[in-house]
Amino acid sequence: SQQGEEDPQALSIQEGENATMNCSYKTSINNLQWYRQNSGRGLVHLILIRSNEREKHSGRLRVTLDTSKKSSSLLITASRAADTASYFCATEHSGNTPLVFGKGTRLSVIA
Amino acid sequence: DAGVIQSPRHEVTEMGQEVTLRCKPISGHNSLFWYRQTMMRGLELLIYFNNNVPIDDSGMPEDRFSAKMPNASFSTLKIQPSEPRDSAVYFCASSASEITDTQYFGPGTRLTVL
Repeated sequence: SQQGEEDPQALSIQEGENATMNCSYKTSINNLQWYRQNSGRGLVHLILIRSNEREKHSGRLRVTLDTSKKSSSLLITASRAADTASYFCATEHSGNTPLVFGKGTRLSVIA
Repeated sequence: DAGVIQSPRHEVTEMGQEVTLRCKPISGHNSLFWYRQTMMRGLELLIYFNNNVPIDDSGMPEDRFSAKMPNASFSTLKIQPSEPRDSAVYFCASSASEITDTQYFGPGTRLTVL
């Protein structure tokens, strides 16, 4: 299976702390995306990192990609209660196949 | 921009009944995806279309499930007959051109089959 796997499955932190979520995958990718899902809502695209990039920033989000280890991490700095959600990685593989979504990490930020 | 529109938002039905879920993708988007999400199985890709043509329906669980996209602005996912194990949240998503592009998800339809 090409499915990415997020780690940890669930994470609980205090407001103001940093949250780090990891994603591992098994076969080579063209790019990797991170999505957020608030409870009862659809997934929302956060950020895309290409296979030739190692790090990318967007506001309080920092994404790293290590293709040699087939892994990516999403760091949310100075977390807020509103960051409480599930976070999914999605990988694009060669062969014109659709994105493959992982099972997600449930993040709880406690005020 | 309206985003992906799904209807109904909630559906409660009895086992054996036919269920039709509807999706309107973002205008101009060429690819459309149907997903099912449950606690046990996570997010599952059921079927996807490109330029209104079904590309891969290998994720459709059984013959009871069918999907159509008669035009670029409308798609349906039908379950007939429905069973309690079909209870889940069904999402429709669209992407601009290629099936590998960033996907934009609708709000989902929460289906409960009694």
